[in-house]
Amino acid sequence: QQQVKQSPQSLIVQKGGISIINCAYENTAFDYFPWYQQFPGKGPALLIAIRPDVSEKKEGRFTISFNKSAKQFSLHIMDSQPGDSATYFCAASRQSGGYNKLIFGAGTRLAVHP
Amino acid sequence: KAGVTQTPRYLIKTRGQQVTLSCSPISGHRSVSWYQQTPGQGLQFLFEYFSETQRNKGNFPGRFSGRQFSNSRSEMNVSTLELGDSALYLCASSRRDGSYEQYFGPGTRLTVT
Repeated sequence: QQQVKQSPQSLIVQKGGISIINCAYENTAFDYFPWYQQFPGKGPALLIAIRPDVSEKKEGRFTISFNKSAKQFSLHIMDSQPGDSATYFCAASRQSGGYNKLIFGAGTRLAVHP
Repeated sequence: KAGVTQTPRYLIKTRGQQVTLSCSPISGHRSVSWYQQTPGQGLQFLFEYFSETQRNKGNFPGRFSGRQFSNSRSEMNVSTLELGDSALYLCASSRRDGSYEQYFGPGTRLTVT
């Protein structure tokens, strides 16, 4: 019940295309869903996050879509650029009750070709 | 505002030794969480400290321990190192008072030989 399943494992997209990464969770107590971007040799950087009371959140070229009934959420990267090539992690946590523990998906390695 | 800093960045230790890693959170952040990242297991939560108290703990053996100081800086210690402890150890800080966003440092790359 603590797992977050992420797909695909790797993704190749042409420059200007849309990158879509999906995650699914089981624990309905999760109430915070962030996405992180990690470049080689760096720590994960917080990209965007959503809470279950919102179905979509957009920040620049990055959009999270959230489907509470299906227990799924996804990251869409519009107009993908070579500089977006990185590993992306979805995560979930149950912040109500004071839990500050992130459960991460396995990661998606994105390559954007020029 | 300076980000999360971790020292050292790289470390090579021998099996059986112990190691201490350090993390300085973003100014004003009172919570520090530690994560282990390996190719096989991915990113796994170790523990969280807030106001010098351990608030959450992951599923790691007792060889992994930590502490937090009054200035919110944190250290984690791994005793009796095993080859499987080779990993990138990441520290993340958050305010925790209404905002649980976690910001990661660059990590400490630990290699156990």
